Amino acid sequence: NSKVIQTPRYLVKGQGQKAKMRCIPEKGHPVVFWYQQNKNNEFKFLINFQNQEVLQQIDMTEKRFSAECPSNSPCSLEIQSSEAGDSALYLCASSLSREGTGQLYFGEGSKLTVL
Amino acid sequence: QQKVQQSPESLIVPEGGMASLNCTSSDRNVDYFWWYRQHSGKSPKMLMSIFSNGEKEEGRFTVHLNKASLHTSLHIRDSQPSDSALYLCAASNSGTYQRFGTGTKLQVVP
Repeated sequence: NSKVIQTPRYLVKGQGQKAKMRCIPEKGHPVVFWYQQNKNNEFKFLINFQNQEVLQQIDMTEKRFSAECPSNSPCSLEIQSSEAGDSALYLCASSLSREGTGQLYFGEGSKLTVL
Repeated sequence: QQKVQQSPESLIVPEGGMASLNCTSSDRNVDYFWWYRQHSGKSPKMLMSIFSNGEKEEGRFTVHLNKASLHTSLHIRDSQPSDSALYLCAASNSGTYQRFGTGTKLQVVP
């Protein structure tokens, strides 16, 4: 069973609606990643954090997507205005290392369907 | 363009058979390769990692890496129906996140 906890497991939104997903990383893991896995199994990296600090993010994230990892609260990923193309599985992963040498521990994901 | 290419897209092997999966990075700036397994409806879980040229074996699973060609392969011997899953390859270096391929869907038939 995953020790990275993601909620909710499923979201259904209309176009233009907000969608918010949360993630509690594995205890002791300072680095959190968000990936998008689409129906073709393409993984797209969105953003990663070390504690509360953004390490890297892609351009897409800077527009409609926002994310944070506040101290003593779950991390979150929010899509301000959902589009049909955002329908995907959003995977949160945590790691001991910010470097590429760290194994990723994934949550079960939040499956977003945009109608 | 996909920087991590996996082949084949799908593979059917008989129970007890050998499954061989391939992965190549087109980004020369990678040092680390990872194999994850994702059962249907579940999260990816790391199977094996390899950072040096050569071979690494863990039980029924063997992974090879050729750093010159940036090619890694995963071999599963004595395949079981429970091995049926999506196998994902990822590549990274010390300065960046793991980039994933689109996976090989393995089906082990009794």
